[in-house]
Order: sequence, then C-alpha cells, then structure tokens
Amino acid sequence: TQLLEQSPQFLSIQEGENLTVYCNSSSVFSSLQWYRQEPGEGPVLLVTVVTGGEVKKLKRLTFQFGDARKDSSLHITAAQPGDTGLYLCAGYNNDMRFGAGTRLTVKP
Amino acid sequence: ETGVTQTPRHLVMGMTNKKSLKCEQHLGHNAMYWYKQSAKKPLELMFVYSLEERVENNSVPSRFSPECPNSSHLFLHLHTLQPEDSALYLCASSQPGGAGDTEAFFGQGTRLTVV
Repeated sequence: TQLLEQSPQFLSIQEGENLTVYCNSSSVFSSLQWYRQEPGEGPVLLVTVVTGGEVKKLKRLTFQFGDARKDSSLHITAAQPGDTGLYLCAGYNNDMRFGAGTRLTVKP
Repeated sequence: ETGVTQTPRHLVMGMTNKKSLKCEQHLGHNAMYWYKQSAKKPLELMFVYSLEERVENNSVPSRFSPECPNSSHLFLHLHTLQPEDSALYLCASSQPGGAGDTEAFFGQGTRLTVV
C-alpha cells in the first residue's frame, strides 16, 4: 500500500512569512502532484512533477521532487492570506494516492 | 468550475434511508473516481471506473454501490449507512495517459451526514 505522509498537519503563520511543507513516502512514484483545496470546494491541481530532482516554480510557490521520486516539498515565499487552504500531495503510478494534507492558515 | 459537477452538495440521511450521489463530467475523460474525505484522514480512493468498467474497488463496504452508465456519469448509491460514513464524497475524472499528463479534475463534493 502506498502511503504518503504530509507534514506538518497544521500550520498557522503571519502574512509575509515563508514556509515549507513536506510529502514523504517509502514508495517510488512516476509522478507527484500538489493540489490545493479551499473550504467547500474540491482539490485543484497546482503542479505535476515527473523527473527526480525536478524543481518547478509557480509565482511564489516552489515545488521540488526528490531525487529518488519518493518525496516532495512545497515552499511558499511571502505567504498571503489567499494562500490559506489544504495542500494535498498525490503520488501517481497506476492510480492516484493522496496524503492527508497540510492545512495552512495565513493571518493578515 | 472544473467541469465536474456533483449533486447534491449537501445530504442528510437516516441510517435506514436509500439515497444516491451523482457526478457528471463533460470533459471527455475516460476515467472517473469516487473518493471519501474524512477529517484528518487522507483522501480515500473508493472506486475507479475506466471506460465505464469498474477497475478498482478498495474494499469498500457493500452499503456503497457505484454505477457508471456512461463515460460522463457516475453514481454512488447509498443504503443503510452508518454515522461513521459521514464525510465529504468527491468525484473526480481524468484522462489517463503519460504520468505527467494525468490530472484529476474534482467536483465540489457532496457533504454527507448520516444521522
């Protein structure tokens, strides 16, 4: 069974701070995705990483896929209240398996 | 708007009721999924349909019964549920292909409460 562990589970920070959240597994994935879910909505894809060591940037968000394709991190620079939400990672082989998510709150 | 629509958005049902959740996508995707999202737990994959055939059932209790009449519609029939089945039920669709191209498009979910 593929298990994705996300940390921290909860994170509350002030606007302008930087943060990093993690997604770890003992399994190797052919790709890994990060989703953000806002209250009352379904998850929405932020990024897909495919190659070990790959780094992708999306404005203030930086995503990295581990060299062994077992883990990933999401770094947010100068967080804003609009970044508040549940951040989910999902590993893909034949289907997608999700972690429990990191619930981020950015206070103004 | 992701192109995946779920109805109803909210549902309260008794343990003896029978109800159905509906999911509709017009994205031309071949695969559809039911996920269960409970507080503080990972999204749990319940069922996977590919080209209208069920390809995976993750040991889901028989009180949950999926139906996929065509590639655009997916149902989850519910009967004699338990309070612990209360959760957000999410439908998703995707177009399986290369690993880098597989994105799941989610509906807004049905918030189910079993009383």
